[in-house]
Amino acid sequence: QSALTQPASVSGSPGQSIAISCTGTSSDVGAYDYVSWYQHHPGKAPKLIIYYVTDRPSGVSNRFSGSKSGNTASLTISGLQAEDEADYHCCSYTLSNTPLFGTGTKVTVL
Amino acid sequence: EVQLLESGGGLVQPGGSLRLSCAASGFTFSGHDMSWVRQAPGKGLEWVSTISGRADSTWYADSVKGRFTVSRDNAKTTVYMQMNSLRAEDTAVYYCAKDRNPLTTWGQGTLVIVSS
Repeated sequence: QSALTQPASVSGSPGQSIAISCTGTSSDVGAYDYVSWYQHHPGKAPKLIIYYVTDRPSGVSNRFSGSKSGNTASLTISGLQAEDEADYHCCSYTLSNTPLFGTGTKVTVL
Repeated sequence: EVQLLESGGGLVQPGGSLRLSCAASGFTFSGHDMSWVRQAPGKGLEWVSTISGRADSTWYADSVKGRFTVSRDNAKTTVYMQMNSLRAEDTAVYYCAKDRNPLTTWGQGTLVIVSS
């Protein structure tokens, strides 16, 4: 299976909103509401920020929100802050009952 | 607080073997699936394997099936990844993570380099 498709990079100024897309197929993103997003600062442990498409774990800022339409999921970061500069990875469960990650997106705060 | 600490990475020659460990604390270990995910240099994350809480089910990515074996010792709250027949393309940071869907907590990873 090929990785889910994400833009290589997205940038924005502090305070702006940005969106990261995650495109799959009807066998993964389109099949279930089991899309999750992970924030990864290089050298640190990845962190779960969105699960089941729209849910946020306790302690995660409500500036992070998720959505899905068809075979494409999206992560929106509103009120962009310097600390949001990181790599973001989407992940979807597949019909083979295994997770499939996206290609990853580097977010730069200008 | 949930903590996961990977160890066992290092430099190994192609065709060699390595065993990774992930020591867990802060939760009821036997009640949770545990997963391994890797990230090759400059690449995205790749799921590698998952083992169920009671170790009665395992899942593997096609890229490692037949070469890697996941196991766990619930008494020691540790999950393992035995990696055999290693290839250059297995070079990556290997992370262990709690649960399967989603991967709720991650360790900081251990680096595996396969090179002659």
